[in-house]
Amino acid sequence: AQTVTQSQPEMSVQEAETVTLSCTYDTSESNYYLFWYKQPPSRQMILVIRQEAYKQQNATENRFSVNFQKAAKSFSLKISDSQLGDTAMYFCAFMKHASADSNYQLIWGAGTKLIIKP
Amino acid sequence: NAGVMQNPRHLVRRRGQEARLRCSPMKGHSHVYWYRQLPEEGLKFMVYLQKENIIDESGMPKERFSAEFPKEGPSILRIQQVVRGDSAAYFCASSRLRYGEKLFFGSGTQLSVL
Repeated sequence: AQTVTQSQPEMSVQEAETVTLSCTYDTSESNYYLFWYKQPPSRQMILVIRQEAYKQQNATENRFSVNFQKAAKSFSLKISDSQLGDTAMYFCAFMKHASADSNYQLIWGAGTKLIIKP
Repeated sequence: NAGVMQNPRHLVRRRGQEARLRCSPMKGHSHVYWYRQLPEEGLKFMVYLQKENIIDESGMPKERFSAEFPKEGPSILRIQQVVRGDSAAYFCASSRLRYGEKLFFGSGTQLSVL
């Protein structure tokens, strides 16, 4: 069974600083997807970034980038030039590739609460 | 194009009552997923439905919980005889493809059982 671990329950940084959120996972699959979702106080679950395991290049989306280390099963999220609006819970999630059984299920970490201070 | 719509946003029930949670997927999406989120935890898969079919309900409790996604209208997650342990946020997500890895989530329904 797959598991996702986020070891940082809460982090706090000053506005404009860079922050890295960690995520490790365990799987025997060789092909899969990894995600970071943001959940602000509004509770809406928003997709931040997605990584396909067969791609070696790290995904980036504007100020958000990942450090994907497949051998180490690590998938950290870096937020550059942090903004007050980045304050939210951040969840790391895993999904099997399309060819696998139960591929539609997202397996979630427990989340990291990120606070951006003015 | 409206996103995934869930209602109500907040639902308060007394123990023993029924709770009905509704989810309208994004336009063009025929795959719906329900997840439950307990405080301080990530989401847990409950059920996956396509129009008129339950594909996988392995994450749903065997008793008191049921889900449907009729040909017309929203998907419904129904909890009968609610207990305090059912208090949680219930999220619905939809996708266009069977193997779609892009899930779009609603804002959830916060169920509080008194």
